[in-house]
Amino acid sequence: GQQVMQIPQYQHVQEGEDFTTYCNSSTTLSNIQWYKQRPGGHPVFLIQLVKSGEVKKQKRLTFQFGEAKKNSSLHITATQTTDVGTYFCAGTGGTSYGKLTFGQGTILTVHP
Amino acid sequence: GAGVSQSPSNKVTEKGKDVELRCDPISGHTALYWYRQSLGQGLEFLIYFQGNSAPDKSGLPSDRFSAERTGGSVSTLTIQRTQQEDSAVYLCASSPRGGLLGYTFGSGTRLTVV
Repeated sequence: GQQVMQIPQYQHVQEGEDFTTYCNSSTTLSNIQWYKQRPGGHPVFLIQLVKSGEVKKQKRLTFQFGEAKKNSSLHITATQTTDVGTYFCAGTGGTSYGKLTFGQGTILTVHP
Repeated sequence: GAGVSQSPSNKVTEKGKDVELRCDPISGHTALYWYRQSLGQGLEFLIYFQGNSAPDKSGLPSDRFSAERTGGSVSTLTIQRTQQEDSAVYLCASSPRGGLLGYTFGSGTRLTVV
């Protein structure tokens, strides 16, 4: 079945440093979505990427979808303490159409 | 409602007992999903309902797990003869159509089997 792998598993940064998490799929994806889960909370939808090579920005967050539609990244510029949480990528495609396969997530800690 | 509602928020049960977890999706959302999240882990897909189509049950870990969705709205996840490894947070999500516009998750039910 489809597998989505995410690295790193953990990332500790000082406030103001940049952060990137990477997502790789074993199969070509129809789309990829990113979610943020605050400690003790539930995942919250951030964005969806559909087109090959697509880049989208939300303030300090930049999302990219690879040309082959098998990988994606989330980059946060100048992290803030409010960025702490777990960031998940999730994709649909192939036999998993209609349901998302989630990566294991990257836990981000920001030290003030 | 304004969001996805799940009940109970916490459930402690004895090993071997049956439990029912409820999910009330956003009105008008045709797709409903159940995921399971163990402590510090990712989201494990359990089951997916889309409109009147047969549900995708491919993620249910054993025949002790079942789910139904009545009237295209409320869903109940039932776990029979609970075991300690069933302890996790059970998350329900809904979306307007096949998940293509992002999922809205509920706050989850934390299940503890003792």
